[in-house]
Amino acid sequence: AQTVTQSQPEMSVQEAETVTLSCTYDTSESDYYLFWYKQPPSRQMILVIRQEAYKQQNATENRFSVNFQKAAKSFSLKISDSQLGDAAMYFCAYRSAGLNSGNTPLVFGKGTRLSVIA
Amino acid sequence: DTGVSQDPRHKITKRGQNVTFRCDPISEHNRLYWYRQTLGQGPEFLTYFQNEAQLEKSRLLSDRFSAERPKGSFSTLEIQRTEQGDSAMYLCASSWGGDHTDTQYFGPGTRLTVL
Repeated sequence: AQTVTQSQPEMSVQEAETVTLSCTYDTSESDYYLFWYKQPPSRQMILVIRQEAYKQQNATENRFSVNFQKAAKSFSLKISDSQLGDAAMYFCAYRSAGLNSGNTPLVFGKGTRLSVIA
Repeated sequence: DTGVSQDPRHKITKRGQNVTFRCDPISEHNRLYWYRQTLGQGPEFLTYFQNEAQLEKSRLLSDRFSAERPKGSFSTLEIQRTEQGDSAMYLCASSWGGDHTDTQYFGPGTRLTVL
């Protein structure tokens, strides 16, 4: 079974600075998808960024980018120019992309709580 | 369409009572997922529908839990004879099968407290 590990339970960053959240995963599969989700306090989980494993290019969405290292099974999230609204729980998630990929749920890490200091 | 909605947002019940939650997915999404999230943990998969068919159930889904998705639209999750260990946030997500990444979009969740 696949597992996702987020080794940083809590992180903090000064407003306007850059922070990197770590995620590693364990799988024997070669084809899969990786996601970062953001869950603000008492609000719903929203997708931040996604990465297809077959793509070597790292995904980027505005101030959010990933460092995807397939051989190392690492998928870190970099937040640039941090804003107060970035404060939230961040979850890394994995999904298989096999023949029956539509049947595979997301496997989540335990999350990293990010605080942004004004 | 404003996204996935869930009702109620909060539910407090006494041990032994039955509860039912509802999820309305994004209208064009044919896949619907239920997850459970406890404090300090990431969401854990419970069950999954494609249209009206329930295709997969986690071992977490004991026989006290049942989920339905009539007509492939909204879904309900019922917990019978609730236990204190059922206290958690129950999250619903939906996705569109035509998207090869099957990106899931989440609702706000229903927080269940069992006294």
